[in-house]
Amino acid sequence: EAGVAQSPRYKIIEKRQSVAFWCNPISGHATLYWYQQILGQGPKLLIQFQNNGVVDDSQLPKDRFSAERLKGVDSTLKIQPAKLEDSAVYLCASSLVVHRGAFFGQGTRLTVV
Amino acid sequence: TQLLEQSPQFLSIQEGENLTVYCNSSSVFSSLQWYRQEPGEGPVLLVTVVTGGEVKKLKRLTFQFGDARKDSSLHITAAQPGDTGLYLCAGFNTGNQFYFGTGTSLTVIP
Repeated sequence: EAGVAQSPRYKIIEKRQSVAFWCNPISGHATLYWYQQILGQGPKLLIQFQNNGVVDDSQLPKDRFSAERLKGVDSTLKIQPAKLEDSAVYLCASSLVVHRGAFFGQGTRLTVV
Repeated sequence: TQLLEQSPQFLSIQEGENLTVYCNSSSVFSSLQWYRQEPGEGPVLLVTVVTGGEVKKLKRLTFQFGDARKDSSLHITAAQPGDTGLYLCAGFNTGNQFYFGTGTSLTVIP
């Protein structure tokens, strides 16, 4: 069974530029999550989708971050404009049964200079 | 707001020693998971506990969910260098919000 796929693995951009990350969840998983992880810390939930609807985006900085999950499968997370403090690993995860845990991709390491 | 606090934050032990990591909250969780994350990789799910007082064993790892479903612990027996990594607890609260803990970085020295 294929895991959660994310791209790109690494991205370096200048502040005020825009960037987009892509995620393809495990086939059949209705729930999709985007997390931001600062080095050495636990991941912070940015947004949770159930199919193509948003379940929780309370911690998403909506002035600069946006996410969509068209057709309830793939998802993209965009940052525009990026700030230095956005430097982090962005993780995508999916789950079949919400309360049974999630499966993660390898993440995208973003560096904003 | 960090709902799940883990302790200790850092742990460095010799191979063969035992250790316990704690995950505590003031909120009730309907389920709680433990993950291990290695550098450059995403977290990998180890176990899910759903019932207060539940104990699960996975080889040398023992997981316990508190009776009140507000805390959990992970005990590793005879730690090995391959156990090195960042251990994360995570859970769904009664509002179906999913939070990760602060993390425990474990280093097992050969």
